[in-house]
Amino acid sequence: DAMVIQNPRYQVTQFGKPVTLSCSQTLNHNVMYWYQQKSSQAPKLLFHYYDKDFNNEADTPDNFQSRRPNTSFCFLDIRSPGLGDAAMYLCATSRDRESLYEQYFGPGTRLTVT
Amino acid sequence: AQSVAQPEDQVNVAEGNPLTVKCTYSVSGNPYLFWYVQYPNRGLQFLLKYITGDNLVKGSYGFEAEFNKSQTSFHLKKPSALVSDSALYFCAVRDITGGYQKVTFGTGTKLQVIP
Repeated sequence: DAMVIQNPRYQVTQFGKPVTLSCSQTLNHNVMYWYQQKSSQAPKLLFHYYDKDFNNEADTPDNFQSRRPNTSFCFLDIRSPGLGDAAMYLCATSRDRESLYEQYFGPGTRLTVT
Repeated sequence: AQSVAQPEDQVNVAEGNPLTVKCTYSVSGNPYLFWYVQYPNRGLQFLLKYITGDNLVKGSYGFEAEFNKSQTSFHLKKPSALVSDSALYFCAVRDITGGYQKVTFGTGTKLQVIP
């Protein structure tokens, strides 16, 4: 089945230690998104790629970076995680910007910062 | 910016009863509205959308939503609730800021269906 895969499902990192979260998709979608979701809150868009075109939300901290080496993969890098960065990180895709509302989400990576 | 509001943090309903999860919107221009569901420890799943056309929109798993322009509402409904419907429900709206489109989610409503 075509899907969005996130690895790992659970990640524990130390305060200030860089961490990378991974997302892959078999849907061949052009757009990939990263969201941060804190406990029982709305997902908050961090950034998205339309193909190779990177779009950063204005309020996304510089501590968060992303890479998309090819259509299938997208990475979220947190350069110096703080305690406030503990959250669920959701990757999503959409076929294109015109169908952005029908997004396909991965199961998420729950990040714990100790 | 466009926004949606979900006035209830939690809704409890007995199995077999009709359910309603409320959403109101604030947009300039024509609203594009959506509902997503999130089961525990899972990503979000798209349920349905309203862009134009009939005010009653049918979606996945027997859910439907009613668009009401005069009340600026887009409530999610289901005639008969199942225990398996228990989840977190997000209303969302298309937002155009910064020169591109994105989806902005509401704060979510936890639906608890009681056996």
